[in-house]
Amino acid sequence: GAVVSQHPSWVICKSGTSVKIECRSLDFQATTMFWYRQFPKQSLMLMATSNEGSKATYEQGVEKDKFLINHASLTLSTLTVTSAHPEDSSFYICSANPRGSPLHFGNGTRLTVT
Amino acid sequence: KQEVTQIPAALSVPEGENLVLNCSFTDSAIYNLQWFRQDPGKGLTSLLLIQSSQREQTSGRLNASLDKSSGRSTLYIAASQPGDSATYLCAVPYSGGGADGLTFGKGTHLIIQP
Repeated sequence: GAVVSQHPSWVICKSGTSVKIECRSLDFQATTMFWYRQFPKQSLMLMATSNEGSKATYEQGVEKDKFLINHASLTLSTLTVTSAHPEDSSFYICSANPRGSPLHFGNGTRLTVT
Repeated sequence: KQEVTQIPAALSVPEGENLVLNCSFTDSAIYNLQWFRQDPGKGLTSLLLIQSSQREQTSGRLNASLDKSSGRSTLYIAASQPGDSATYLCAVPYSGGGADGLTFGKGTHLIIQP
């Protein structure tokens, strides 16, 4: 079945540094991928829609200059958390869907900013 | 704005019991509804997807129903097992159609006692 691979699964970084998270569709092409964030005991919240070859669409309240999204190919989208702060610590998950199929999710990335 | 609510927030039952998880949504103009399972620190596994034209879907011991007009869905788990312990999430498309992300409920944290 369709697989979405997310890397890394966890990362610890110091405040002020940047972290890049990758989301790959392994056996299908995805013109659109989605990035979510989940705080402890909270629901997943859509951050942005990543569009291959064009700018990402950000949801209200999500800073596009802080969360840089690049979707340079049909199988890869990256989310870069720039100048990370402790409040950015969260669980980040990406998703994509093969044509005509439900969304498939990556296993998520646990980001801890110290 | 679509809001998804899940009740109960947590549930702990002995092994073997049948149980029902509830999901409600405020905007009934959805074209499908999905139930997911999330294990601690992990991504999401899609369990069932119900199209708006359907009233229910079944997969093994799981049965999901959808009543679009009343904005409700239920997930029925038969003969529960300890391996069913996880957080169960209900989600609907973010807006009216197209390649959308999802709006999630906060989930029901389920513990099945051996």
